[in-house]
Amino acid sequence: DSGVTQTPKHLITATGQRVTLRCSPRSGDLSVYWYQQSLDQGLQFLIQYYNGEERAKGNILERFSAQQFPDLHSELNLSSLELGDSALYFCASSGGAHGELFFGEGSRLTVL
Amino acid sequence: SQQGEEDPQALSIQEGENATMNCSYKTSINNLQWYRQNSGRGLVHLILIRSNEREKHSGRLRVTLDTSKKSSSLLITASRAADTASYFCATDRDNTGFQKLVFGTGTRLLVSP
Repeated sequence: DSGVTQTPKHLITATGQRVTLRCSPRSGDLSVYWYQQSLDQGLQFLIQYYNGEERAKGNILERFSAQQFPDLHSELNLSSLELGDSALYFCASSGGAHGELFFGEGSRLTVL
Repeated sequence: SQQGEEDPQALSIQEGENATMNCSYKTSINNLQWYRQNSGRGLVHLILIRSNEREKHSGRLRVTLDTSKKSSSLLITASRAADTASYFCATDRDNTGFQKLVFGTGTRLLVSP
């Protein structure tokens, strides 16, 4: 158990809909990262937050947004969903500026 | 785009054999990390090697780093069926003080009993 909790584990929705994925980092970790893993694109870095502030941005679509709340949990909002958004979405946390990431078990999103 | 490229994409060996996976990357890095992922599960950190280190060991794992060639290798000795998983290298190349780990494409390792 990594200590990182992601909900929901599975989500099935239709094109055009909006979903919210939630992540609770390990106790004490200030950094939260979001990654998307799909078969054709591999593991893609989306965005990173540190203590509530956005720190790094990767290949995150404009239809996607994220935030980190004062209690350090984070949410990833995906809107106007397309078939190609079907993927595993991982949240990870870390304690320091550099070092290992602790991954949650992911949220599997299926867009029909 | 991916920073790292693992080689081979897939590797099939017998229990007891050694498994070697390679990772090449494109830009200068602060550190390089290796992660393991069982099918459909979250990634698990295996080992981190800093840019000023050349070799690191952890149990049956040995990692080397050659910054002049921008490459790293992960050796798993005396493999077991439980080592079956995908292995990813990840590079930390952010210079702002906060890491931005970029993962490679992964090597799928199958260890047969």
